[in-house]
Amino acid sequence: AQKITQTQPGMFVQEKEAVTLDCTYDTSDQSYGLFWYKQPSSGEMIFLIYQGSYDEQNATEGRYSLNFQKARKSANLVISASQLGDSAMYFCATPNAGGTSYGKLTFGQGTILTVHP
Amino acid sequence: DSGVTQTPKHLITATGQRVTLRCSPRSGDLSVYWYQQSLDQGLQFLIHYYNGEERAKGNILERFSAQQFPDLHSELNLSSLELGDSALYFCASSVGEGLTYEQYFGPGTRLTVT
Repeated sequence: AQKITQTQPGMFVQEKEAVTLDCTYDTSDQSYGLFWYKQPSSGEMIFLIYQGSYDEQNATEGRYSLNFQKARKSANLVISASQLGDSAMYFCATPNAGGTSYGKLTFGQGTILTVHP
Repeated sequence: DSGVTQTPKHLITATGQRVTLRCSPRSGDLSVYWYQQSLDQGLQFLIHYYNGEERAKGNILERFSAQQFPDLHSELNLSSLELGDSALYFCASSVGEGLTYEQYFGPGTRLTVT
């Protein structure tokens, strides 16, 4: 079974600085994916970025990038040039690669990011 | 805006009652997933439908049921409600099913059971 661990319950960053949110995963699948989602205080879940296990390059989407280290089983989210609107809960997730729950997402516990002006 | 709609946005009801949550996936998406988010359990997968067929069940109680209709919208039915069912219920949709398809979440339905 998949497991996602996010060890930072809360993180603080100064506006315009970069911040790294940690995510480690545990899976026995050869092929897998990793997602990051943002949940602002309003509650919706916003898809940010995806990394496939066989992608040769780290994923990037605007100010978001993934520091994917396969040997360490980590997929850390890097947010560059933080903005006040980045303050939110961030979840790392991975889909089931097979079995009876193919595609379902397993989430970490989340990290609350606070951006200070 | 993810393109996934959920109604109602908020629902307050009493213990023992039954409610129906509705989800319309993004245009073209065949997969619908339901998740429950609570403070003590975090985000938990409930059930997955693909093109009208149930594909997988997670930790879904027997009091809960769901279906996906021919027009691909889905409904989650919660009955004999208990205080512990209070949570944020999300549906998510994706084009297919599997590892590489992003799941886009709706705004959620916040259920409060009193």
